[in-house]
Amino acid sequence: QKEVEQNSGPLSVPEGAIASLNCTYSDRGSQSFFWYRQYSGKSPELIMFIYSNGDKEDGRFTAQLNKASQYVSLLIRDSQPSDSATYLCAVTAMEYGNKLVFGAGTILRVKS
Amino acid sequence: DTEVTQTPKHLVMGMTNKKSLKCEQHMGHRAMYWYKQKAKKPPELMFVYSYEKLSINESVPSRFSPECPNSSLLNLHLHALQPEDSALYLCASSQGVTGEVTQYFGPGTRLLVL
Repeated sequence: QKEVEQNSGPLSVPEGAIASLNCTYSDRGSQSFFWYRQYSGKSPELIMFIYSNGDKEDGRFTAQLNKASQYVSLLIRDSQPSDSATYLCAVTAMEYGNKLVFGAGTILRVKS
Repeated sequence: DTEVTQTPKHLVMGMTNKKSLKCEQHMGHRAMYWYKQKAKKPPELMFVYSYEKLSINESVPSRFSPECPNSSLLNLHLHALQPEDSALYLCASSQGVTGEVTQYFGPGTRLLVL
């Protein structure tokens, strides 16, 4: 089992819709959870981080964490073509020496 | 300000060349990282510096040599690279390796080894 799993996609949504990106992780001791956006040929850009169970909202983005289910998600409301990118889920845990462990990424395509 | 800068943006080198990648941050962060990213893959950790000391080396070949001259600077010295080392090299920094561990990435150096 991979440490951090994401559906590779592509996930296609129409402009204005809600995009839902999901991530599961294997280590119950995981402590910090991050979503990065990466445009083709560019570096990862931090979108959200979340440490506690529940929802965290920032503008059009909402991160959701459920530690019991070992699941973290990113919702993007009112999706725009400019949101088209690869979204990387990343997790830190003591088991990993607090290193950032990335999922393979989900490709999101927002169609206008 | 969450800016990490990297130079050069692009680098082409032969297998016998010696070159260096540079990274700089002025956020007062005490942890700095080098990652390698191949196309369509997530970043792969190479090295971690914490308080200017190498704390993690992910079994990287010795042709890659990191250096942390001070708390703001991180270098990656390259020597006798192979074509398969061609990739995007990313630098990142965080406040620490425990506690506040949010990592911010620089724009990367696109390396091509001929």
